[in-house]
Amino acid sequence: DAGVTQSPTHLIKTRGQQVTLRCSPKSGHDTVSWYQQALGQGPQFIFQYYEEEERQRGNFPDRFSGHQFPNYSSELNVNALLLGDSALYLCASSYGLAGGPYNEQFFGPGTRLTVL
Amino acid sequence: DQQVKQNSPSLSVQEGRISILNCDYTNSMFDYFLWYKKYPAEGPTFLISISSIKDKNEDGRFTVFLNKSAKHLSLHIVPSQPGDSAVYFCAVPRMYSGGGADGLTFGKGTHLIIQP
Repeated sequence: DAGVTQSPTHLIKTRGQQVTLRCSPKSGHDTVSWYQQALGQGPQFIFQYYEEEERQRGNFPDRFSGHQFPNYSSELNVNALLLGDSALYLCASSYGLAGGPYNEQFFGPGTRLTVL
Repeated sequence: DQQVKQNSPSLSVQEGRISILNCDYTNSMFDYFLWYKKYPAEGPTFLISISSIKDKNEDGRFTVFLNKSAKHLSLHIVPSQPGDSAVYFCAVPRMYSGGGADGLTFGKGTHLIIQP
């Protein structure tokens, strides 16, 4: 049983460009959350998708957007990239919305984004 | 504003001894606490959790202690093994208005190094 998968593993972009990161949740999971982990920091919650809708959002600007597909996979899009967007982007999946983070969240290995 | 604080960026412990990782939190309304472990090039994995109605939870070599009056929790690993070398994150459910919870709020992490 595959866990959470993310692609690509690494990505290098320049300032002002746009990027799309992809995530496939663990089998049986229907909720996907995205996190940004900057160097030396803990993961920070970006937003969560359930039933193809953005349910909650952390303190991130509208340059960060996402999408969830009918098969529960998800994309994270970042527009107008800034140097400060360089980070590890983690996707986490879980089952159901009601339990939220009280249900164990399974994380993918992340996508390392470098903005030059 | 850090709601969850891990004040030790790193900790070095000899193999076989006890490792104690600490975490402080600011909001007395938090009712659930989690520890995640992260190896390089992997996503965080759930380790152990504790509800605020308890003051101790044990799972094999791992025990988490909760001191609500001090708003402090600690993770004890006994005995420490080389495979325990990783970054450990303390986390709480991210509450939003309306009483729900979505993602997790993480501390900055403590890098535990087990020396042979």
